[in-house]
Amino acid sequence: NAGVTQTPKFRVLKTGQSMTLLCAQDMNHEYMYWYRQDPGMGLRLIHYSVGEGTTAKGEVPDGYNVSRLKKQNFLLGLESAAPSQTSVYFCASRPDRIASQISVGYTFGSGTRLTVV
Amino acid sequence: SQQGEEDPQALSIQEGENATMNCSYKTSINSLQWYRQNSGRGLVHLILIRSNEREKHSGRLRVTLDTSKKSSSLLITASRAADTASYFCATASGSGNTGKLIFGQGTTLQVKP
Repeated sequence: NAGVTQTPKFRVLKTGQSMTLLCAQDMNHEYMYWYRQDPGMGLRLIHYSVGEGTTAKGEVPDGYNVSRLKKQNFLLGLESAAPSQTSVYFCASRPDRIASQISVGYTFGSGTRLTVV
Repeated sequence: SQQGEEDPQALSIQEGENATMNCSYKTSINSLQWYRQNSGRGLVHLILIRSNEREKHSGRLRVTLDTSKKSSSLLITASRAADTASYFCATASGSGNTGKLIFGQGTTLQVKP
């Protein structure tokens, strides 16, 4: 089925370890986003990309890096995990507004639950 | 910082009743969207309303937007147990075409059968 796929779904890391979360979409969307969701905090934007080869910082970018080498993939990296990065991470995508001629909502992945101990 | 503040934080109703959730925001917006999140799942887009629109319908959903009060409401009519979920408002604002959304903290809706 078309959509946004996140891998892995669950992961436990030790403090200081690194990892990469993968987001893949097969809808040819231009825009991709990484959010984290914490209890009582809603979703907060970490980084986003408006096209292949581009990335930009969101609201809470510290401790994270991203790459968009291919249009369909958006990678989120944690170089040195900290307990404060324990969260559920969501990737989302949407088409370019001009190309779609309408305002559209995001398509979300099912999330990655990350625990840093 | 959160753009949207949602009210109430939690809502419990009986099946068949209507559910109303409110969202207030701080800055001027281009559009406002509502999403549903079932427990342990990703968010699903429900409806989008633009800043020049006042009301929009989609099935059992009715969304209103009052830009003078910087607020929106989501009404779910004739609720069903399957409507049990968290509901988030999200706003898009500013110039450019980045499509960034700022989410509220959500309202948790429980519909009792």
